[in-house]
Amino acid sequence: EMQLVQSGAEVKKPGESLKISCKVSGYSFTTNWIAWVRQMPGQGLEWMAMIKPTNSETRYNPSFQGQVTVSVDRSITTAYMEWSSLKASDTAIYFCARHGLKSTYYYTDVWGKGTAVTVS
Amino acid sequence: EVVLTQSPDTLSLSPGERATLSCRASQSFGSSLAWYQQKPGQAPRLLLYDVSKRATGIPDRFSGSGSGTDFTLTISSLEPDDFAVYYCQQRTSLGAWPFGQGTKVEIK
Repeated sequence: EMQLVQSGAEVKKPGESLKISCKVSGYSFTTNWIAWVRQMPGQGLEWMAMIKPTNSETRYNPSFQGQVTVSVDRSITTAYMEWSSLKASDTAIYFCARHGLKSTYYYTDVWGKGTAVTVS
Repeated sequence: EVVLTQSPDTLSLSPGERATLSCRASQSFGSSLAWYQQKPGQAPRLLLYDVSKRATGIPDRFSGSGSGTDFTLTISSLEPDDFAVYYCQQRTSLGAWPFGQGTKVEIK
């Protein structure tokens, strides 16, 4: 069974750093891009970034470029997203998701349950 | 930057009724349009991809149509389990995947 297991909820103070994780199992980690999606309290989904585990190629939403960094550790089939200095406005749930090939394009077809980040 | 605009923001309907949700893109990028369903406290679930293809396990009361920059998600007869928020998503020429702002389908 394909699974993306995300790290647990975090409570941090403004200015602190944070790295959350997304552990992949059930398929070949290097085959599919991994996306990160933000959902602020009571708000919609925002596509933040994606990373190709094979070579760590990345694509960022311009709104998040420079605000977060995505990375992978292929040895433990895990993707990460990190902040160097959190703000209160980073309070949200963060989802990771696999881009799986569906016919023509790669869509986010398997999702993690999300990591809740509270900055206060 | 591609912007996806969904309408309406909220749709108030009764079980058994037909739901029609719209998604308009500021730019076209082929057929790379997907729809997701999200219920409170859950991750989104892929419903449709390539405009009209149902993902695994999605019932046939969900259908998609459209082309170019205008797309539609139709739920032919709402079941109690269908009341949720629906998002569209499309690939851009730069390989990004923005979402629309969502349409909430609520019980009337």
